Amino acid sequence: QKEVEQNSGPLSVPEGAIASLNCTYSDRGSQSFFWYRQYSGKSPELIMSIYSNGDKEDGRFTAQLNKASQYVSLLIRDSQPSDSATYLCAVNMGTDSWGKLQFGAGTQVVVTP
Amino acid sequence: DAGITQSPRYKITETGRQVTLMCHQTWSHSYMFWYRQDLGHGLRLIYYSAAADITDKGEVPDGYVVSRSKTENFPLTLESATRSQTSVYFCASSDGVLQETQYFGPGTRLLVL
Repeated sequence: QKEVEQNSGPLSVPEGAIASLNCTYSDRGSQSFFWYRQYSGKSPELIMSIYSNGDKEDGRFTAQLNKASQYVSLLIRDSQPSDSATYLCAVNMGTDSWGKLQFGAGTQVVVTP
Repeated sequence: DAGITQSPRYKITETGRQVTLMCHQTWSHSYMFWYRQDLGHGLRLIYYSAAADITDKGEVPDGYVVSRSKTENFPLTLESATRSQTSVYFCASSDGVLQETQYFGPGTRLLVL
């Protein structure tokens, strides 16, 4: 059973602080990793994708990947109330399952003014 | 540019009835997916399609049927709806170029009485 694990939260973050979200995955063959943001009642929208070990930055968001530890994280700098949402980690299901992603259950983030 | 649309957005039906959820994308993406999202389970893959006339089961396919006669359409049919199929259903598509990035439709909220 291929699994993607996230802390469900809620993760309460003061406005302006850094939110740190973690995700672990079980399939060592996974090569593609994604972070989606989902507002309540809305559909998931892509924030970041990462494919290589290390950090990838996009505005206030930084994704970090460590394939040896099977760990991917998302940092949100200068958190804003508009960042309050559920963040879904998604991992591709290995080379024999092209196109299919396994999603974590999501971490709810609440940014408090 | 409409992107990916789903219809209906809301549906109430009764146990035993057949229901079809529609998904249409204007990007000519090869891959299309159907997910259901339930509290505590996150996004679970029902079926996916790699191209017209090519479909495959996901994690939770029982009770569902799909077809894909045209690249842009991917309908999902509940053959005989059950209360356990009450959920939010998301359709997604992927272009096969940007390494499996999936883009989601707005979702259909289905209530089975």
